[in-house]
Amino acid sequence: AQSVTQLDSQVPVFEEAPVELRCNYSSSVSVYLFWYVQYPNQGLQLLLKYLSGSTLVESINGFEAEFNKSQTSFHLRKPSVHISDTAEYFCAVRYKAAGNKLTFGGGTRVLVKP
Amino acid sequence: EPEVTQTPSHQVTQMGQEVILRCVPISNHLYFYWYRQILGQKVEFLVSFYNNEISEKSEIFDDQFSVERPDGSNFTLKIRSTKLEDSAMYFCASRDLGGDTEAFFGQGTRLTVV
Repeated sequence: AQSVTQLDSQVPVFEEAPVELRCNYSSSVSVYLFWYVQYPNQGLQLLLKYLSGSTLVESINGFEAEFNKSQTSFHLRKPSVHISDTAEYFCAVRYKAAGNKLTFGGGTRVLVKP
Repeated sequence: EPEVTQTPSHQVTQMGQEVILRCVPISNHLYFYWYRQILGQKVEFLVSFYNNEISEKSEIFDDQFSVERPDGSNFTLKIRSTKLEDSAMYFCASRDLGGDTEAFFGQGTRLTVV
């Protein structure tokens, strides 16, 4: 069965420090990859996505993620976080040959400290 | 910007009662989904709906659950006889046609079964 693993359930980080959130998925078959963010008391918002092409994708607010097919990973990074980045981040995978549902990781809660 | 809207934001119901969770997907989208997140657990896929029928469902989506698109704008999830373990955040999502499109999520309905 397909699975998505986010190794860190919580990541405390100081403001302006870098952060990396790790995501690994279970299969190397063709996939679409997504990071969603959930701010406190809000729904899931798409942060960025990998569909095809360049393996490095970026969001408008400074996050980036790199698709690594050989390691079946899609880690999320930001070189300098802000207080407003405090949220829970979910990695999600859609397996092209397995219907159109998303399989989510367990989420990583990022707490940015001043 | 178009968005997925869900009502109510919070629903409290007694065990054994029927509940209907409502969603208005983005108007030109063709795929509709329900996911749920039990407190402290992963976001889990429940069901996908396309062309007026269920296209895929998980093992969670048993006979107690049903979905309906009663008109051109609403998409509902009905739980016939709620159990305590149905308490969760329920997310509706919609997606445009095409394999390389992302799902847009609503804010969620928090269902509490007492």
